[in-house]
Amino acid sequence: EAQVTQNPRYLITVTGKKLTVTCSQNMNHEYMSWYRQDPGLGLRQIYYSMNVEVTDKGDVPEGYKVSRKEKRNFPLILESPSPNQTSLYFCASRPAGNEQFFGPGTRLTVL
Amino acid sequence: AQKVTQAQTEISVVEKEDVTLDCVYETRDTTYYLFWYKQPPSGELVFLIRRNSFDEQNEISGRYSWNFQKSTSSFNFTITASQVVDSAVYFCALRALYGGSQGNLIFGKGTKLSVKP
Repeated sequence: EAQVTQNPRYLITVTGKKLTVTCSQNMNHEYMSWYRQDPGLGLRQIYYSMNVEVTDKGDVPEGYKVSRKEKRNFPLILESPSPNQTSLYFCASRPAGNEQFFGPGTRLTVL
Repeated sequence: AQKVTQAQTEISVVEKEDVTLDCVYETRDTTYYLFWYKQPPSGELVFLIRRNSFDEQNEISGRYSWNFQKSTSSFNFTITASQVVDSAVYFCALRALYGGSQGNLIFGKGTKLSVKP
């Protein structure tokens, strides 16, 4: 089944404790992205990648890192999470010229 | 700069009413895509439609229809004879076709639609 998977789906952590949210797609898509969704703000892009080893900042990249070492994986790294990074995170992938396929979301709480 | 505005934060209708969700966009790109996504209470994002800037034909899919007007930079979404299952948050989004910003999908803030029985 074609899909984008994210892990974990739910995470509660504490300020400053490094974490990684994994994202994987099995559709051989070139493009992958991370978004965060906050009430009243909609979805905002954090980072995106146009292919392996090619990444670029979105609208809200501060406090996040990404890497794209393989086509299928695009992990989101929070080196030192803070409470303002509490959010619902979505990973997405797409082939060139088409719509995004979204993962199920990861709800992160930073205490 | 690119921007998508969904002026209606929340809409409430009674089942079987028609409802239109507004979307206005700004972009300097001459070629771009517009999208609508649905986010039901379960939280996932469901793709509804993609339109490219070359094609101003309106589209109908069952009870859903979309009106794209380049002259007013609008891409409105109408649900005919709404049903309770249509209750969700609906997002309009914009992306350039070419160039460096084609990786960046810009979303509006969403319109929460509640359909009451």
